[in-house]
Amino acid sequence: NAGVTQTPKFQVLKTGQSMTLQCAQDMNHEYMSWYRQDPGMGLRLIHYSVGAGITDQGEVPNGYNVSRSTTEDFPLRLLSAAPSQTSVYFCASSPYRGMAKNIQYFGAGTRLSVL
Amino acid sequence: AQTVTQSQPEMSVQEAETVTLSCTYDTSESDYYLFWYKQPPSRQMILVIRQEAYKQQNATENRFSVNFQKAAKSFSLKISDSQLGDAAMYFCAYRSATLRTDKLIFGTGTRLQVFP
Repeated sequence: NAGVTQTPKFQVLKTGQSMTLQCAQDMNHEYMSWYRQDPGMGLRLIHYSVGAGITDQGEVPNGYNVSRSTTEDFPLRLLSAAPSQTSVYFCASSPYRGMAKNIQYFGAGTRLSVL
Repeated sequence: AQTVTQSQPEMSVQEAETVTLSCTYDTSESDYYLFWYKQPPSRQMILVIRQEAYKQQNATENRFSVNFQKAAKSFSLKISDSQLGDAAMYFCAYRSATLRTDKLIFGTGTRLQVFP
C-alpha cells in the first residue's frame, strides 16, 4: 500500500516554463488536495477535489490548474512558472467515510525552484 | 473565515520532560475537526492526533494528548516523556465537518527542539 505518491521529488524550472506535478493515491479516497508550503506560512490550499470530475479553488489558486479524471490521480499544472511559485508542494488525500474520515494523508512533497 | 494561530514559533524541551504546544483558532461553526501534524526534517507530514469538536473527551495517542477547550477555542498539544525523535515542526490545523470540502487550515507552526 503506497499511500500518496508524488513525483518528482525535486524540480528546477526557468521562468515561463510549464510542468505538471503528479499525485496518485491507492487508498480509494474521495478527497484530494494540493498545498504549498512557504517559510513561516504553514501550508496553504491551492486546489482540491471532492471526487472525480469535481474540483474547486483553495486559498491560493492563481497560476495553477487541476483536473480529476480518476479517483486515483490529481495532477497540478503550472502553465507558466514564475519565481513566486518557488515552494514545496504537498498532495493529500482523505476518505469521506469510515474511521479515518476527514484525516488527510500527505505525500512526501515536491521541492520546486523557479529561476 | 476560520483562522488558526500558533503563537510559539519555537519551543525547547529536555529529553524525558513534558512540553505543551499552544494553538488557538477562530470559527463560527460548531462541528469541526482539529489536528496536530508533525513535520520532521524529512518534510513528511505525519498525523499526530485528531480531535472531533463534538467529543468533549480529550484525544490521546500514547505520549501525545490534547487539551481541547471548545469555548475558549484552544487546542494545545502535550508531549510527555519527550524523545529526541520528537524534534520537528508541529502544525495545528482546522477542518470543517459541515462543509463538503477538503480544506485544512494550518497555523504557521512551532519548531520543537529536544535536548539530551
